[in-house]
Amino acid sequence: QLQLQESGPGLVKPSETLSLTCTVSGGSISSSNYHWGWIRQPPGKGLEWIANIFYSGSTYYNPSLKSLVTISVDTSKNQFSLKVSSVTAADTAVYYCASRGLRPERFDYWGQGILVTVSS
Amino acid sequence: AIQMTQSPSSLSASVGDRVTITCRASQGIRNDLGWYQQKPGKAPKLLIYAASTLQSGVPSRFSGSGSGTDFTLTISSLQPEDFATYYCLQDYNYPLTFGGGTKVEIK
Repeated sequence: QLQLQESGPGLVKPSETLSLTCTVSGGSISSSNYHWGWIRQPPGKGLEWIANIFYSGSTYYNPSLKSLVTISVDTSKNQFSLKVSSVTAADTAVYYCASRGLRPERFDYWGQGILVTVSS
Repeated sequence: AIQMTQSPSSLSASVGDRVTITCRASQGIRNDLGWYQQKPGKAPKLLIYAASTLQSGVPSRFSGSGSGTDFTLTISSLQPEDFATYYCLQDYNYPLTFGGGTKVEIK
């Protein structure tokens, strides 16, 4: 069974870059059976999909965030990462990483989430 | 982007009640829809995928139906541990989009 764990700073200053890493255990990030994704949830609000990546490097981004977001994968460390640049208070949220099983697609395993606050 | 409209946004129900939550897509999405349960302070949990396939380990009181634009999540007999917020997610195309959520509260 896959396990995912987010890590990164809990506090980021406005205009800076938010960087998060998701470490995958219990399986290989190079599996052809999964995409890997990031989802966020502002306090008291709903869920927003951010981006997905395949181990080969194929990426899918939410157009509402695309210009500010980069997702990447490090197969040697069994990790994938998220960067959000030029953050504002609106980027304050719990960020979740998740595995996305394919055929059919679904987010089947989730990390516990990490709260990132954007504040000076 | 496909818009997912969930209803109701909240409901109050008693233990043992049958509960139905609906999700409507702004365009046809075949059966490419999942349902997730989220409890306060916890990550979402997959309940159902491909509109009607129960995720392993999820109690059989949960069921999903629908295709095209209209989908339903049903809890046949609400249990104390089912009080949570439920979200639908369309898996048909990118960008993936969630419904606004339905909070199920104790009556």
